[in-house]
Amino acid sequence: QQQVKQSPQSLIVQKGGISIINCAYENTAFDYFPWYQQFPGKGPALLIAIRPDVSEKKEGRFTISFNKSAKQFSLHIMDSQPGDSATYFCAASGGSQGNLIFGKGTKLSVKP
Amino acid sequence: GAGVSQSPRYKVAKRGQDVALRCDPISGHVSLFWYQQALGQGPEFLTYFQNEAQLDKSGLPSDRFFAERPEGSVSTLKIQRTQQEDSAVYLCASRAYSRGWNTEAFFGQGTRLTVV
Repeated sequence: QQQVKQSPQSLIVQKGGISIINCAYENTAFDYFPWYQQFPGKGPALLIAIRPDVSEKKEGRFTISFNKSAKQFSLHIMDSQPGDSATYFCAASGGSQGNLIFGKGTKLSVKP
Repeated sequence: GAGVSQSPRYKVAKRGQDVALRCDPISGHVSLFWYQQALGQGPEFLTYFQNEAQLDKSGLPSDRFFAERPEGSVSTLKIQRTQQEDSAVYLCASRAYSRGWNTEAFFGQGTRLTVV
């Protein structure tokens, strides 16, 4: 049972455009929703995270939008740059242990 | 070091061999996780330690997988009698424990295991 569903699987965006990646979750006990960025040969690195009492969080060019009633959250990358080309994973966790449940990832390619 | 360190970076094992993968977490981090990442997939949880205690091993795929963290710092993931389906990147992550909202988990670069 996949607890976090991510789409699209791949995304091509022109430089300067907006990249949008969507995730949906099933477990209402989740209380932490991070996005990770992974470059080839590297481990995932935290990009931005949100908790369910907030509907939006912005850090620089990166924004998370969160819809608790729909159990959905999304990552928006404004003014996308070629250096943003990477694989992005949404994740969710809950409880004191907090092990992350990841989506399957979105491979983003930003064309110059 | 400043980050999570894993060794070796690459490991090729013949089917049936035993392997040991090492993780050096960030100094002082209480929580340690192991994840398995198959090619083109997201990381999947294997096991969780709080200090030296293994509190959750529900993600370990079989009894051939064993993890330890005897002194609450360095951790080793051991795979016995490796099979081709064990080929994946094994990621270690550490987190400074907090009783509040979840804090950031820092990942190492992973060990890519190839079973031939």
